[in-house]
Amino acid sequence: EAQVTQNPRYLITVTGKKLTVTCSQNMNHEYMSWYRQDPGLGLRQIYYSMNVEVTDKGDVPEGYKVSRKEKRNFPLILESPSPNQTSLYFCASSLSSGVETQYFGPGTRLLVL
Amino acid sequence: QKEVEQDPGPLSVPEGAIVSLNCTYSNSAFQYFMWYRQYSRKGPELLMYTYSSGNKEDGRFTAQVDKSSKYISLFIRDSQPSDSATYLCAMSKGATNKLIFGTGTLLAVQP
Repeated sequence: EAQVTQNPRYLITVTGKKLTVTCSQNMNHEYMSWYRQDPGLGLRQIYYSMNVEVTDKGDVPEGYKVSRKEKRNFPLILESPSPNQTSLYFCASSLSSGVETQYFGPGTRLLVL
Repeated sequence: QKEVEQDPGPLSVPEGAIVSLNCTYSNSAFQYFMWYRQYSRKGPELLMYTYSSGNKEDGRFTAQVDKSSKYISLFIRDSQPSDSATYLCAMSKGATNKLIFGTGTLLAVQP
């Protein structure tokens, strides 16, 4: 089954404790992206990657890091989480960086205390 | 002012009603317009995709784009309880997957 998977689905952590949210897709897509979704603000892009080893900032990159060492994986790293990073996070992938259907993962709900 | 504005709702309608969901935008550079549906505790999924102005129909769903008014709409005919979800509009300025999303409208279709 073609899908984007994220882990963990739910995470409670404390300020400053480094964490990684994994994202994996099995569709051989080149383009991958991370979004956060907040009430009243909608989905905002954090980082994106057009291919292996090619990443770039989205609209809200502060406090986040990403890496793309393999085509299928695109982890999101919070080196020192803060309460304002409490949010619902989505990973997405698409065939290319052109206007293509983006396939979203199921989401990771993060609470930073 | 946000680039894309969308009424958050909630919008509650009886089963069988025609639903109209709308977004307005401020940047005339937007050329690609999409509607995503997001069920509770799930990721968004693409419903409709249009380029530039005009209408597009897919079953019970019709997407309309009016670039002169900077206004897009999604119509759902014969709405069903299974249509209950949050509907997100999204736009792109060029042939790129950098999307700007609306905040979403929560729709509840009552049986």
